[in-house]
Amino acid sequence: AQSVAQPEDQVNVAEGNPLTVKCTYSVSGNPYLFWYVQYPNRGLQFLLKYITGDNLVKGSYGFEAEFNKSQTSFHLKKPSALVSDSALYFCAVRDGGSGNTGKLIFGQGTTLQVKP
Amino acid sequence: EPEVTQTPSHQVTQMGQEVILRCVPISNHLYFYWYRQILGQKVEFLVSFYNNEISEKSEIFDDQFSVERPDGSNFTLKIRSTKLEDSAMYFCASRRTGSSGANVLTFGAGSRLTVL
Repeated sequence: AQSVAQPEDQVNVAEGNPLTVKCTYSVSGNPYLFWYVQYPNRGLQFLLKYITGDNLVKGSYGFEAEFNKSQTSFHLKKPSALVSDSALYFCAVRDGGSGNTGKLIFGQGTTLQVKP
Repeated sequence: EPEVTQTPSHQVTQMGQEVILRCVPISNHLYFYWYRQILGQKVEFLVSFYNNEISEKSEIFDDQFSVERPDGSNFTLKIRSTKLEDSAMYFCASRRTGSSGANVLTFGAGSRLTVL
């Protein structure tokens, strides 16, 4: 069964500092990994994905994430945080095996708070 | 940019009443999903739908729930007899077909259901 863990309920960082939001996953086949962001009273917005290839993937708004197969991790990073990055971030995984429905399994979410 | 549209944005209903939540997926997408998010909790998979039938459903998706695509445009989630614990934000999502799993789920803004 697929699962995703986001060990931190909240991450606090000062504006201009680097940020990391952690994610580990478990999946039986090859993992397809995603990050989504949710602003208050809004839907989920896609940030970036890892399917294959380079372990470091770049996405929207300056975010990037690094796929680490040995540690089964897919941490979200940004070199310099902005106050406007404050939101709820979800990591998600999909089993890339054939025949699956493409459903994503989400982690519990991490609230990122960027203080001026 | 194409969007997934959900209506209503907020519905208040009495326990035991039937509720229909509507979604208009992106026009060239053929996989459809419903997720729900109870306040402050993770985003949970309910059901996936492809080729006019349910392709996968979770334990949450019991006999009280049903989905249909009545006219080739709308994708609806029906809750036959609502319970207090059905109060949540319900998200519709869609994605393109394709042999690869790279296709991203695009989410709507959600429908907030409050059961009194």
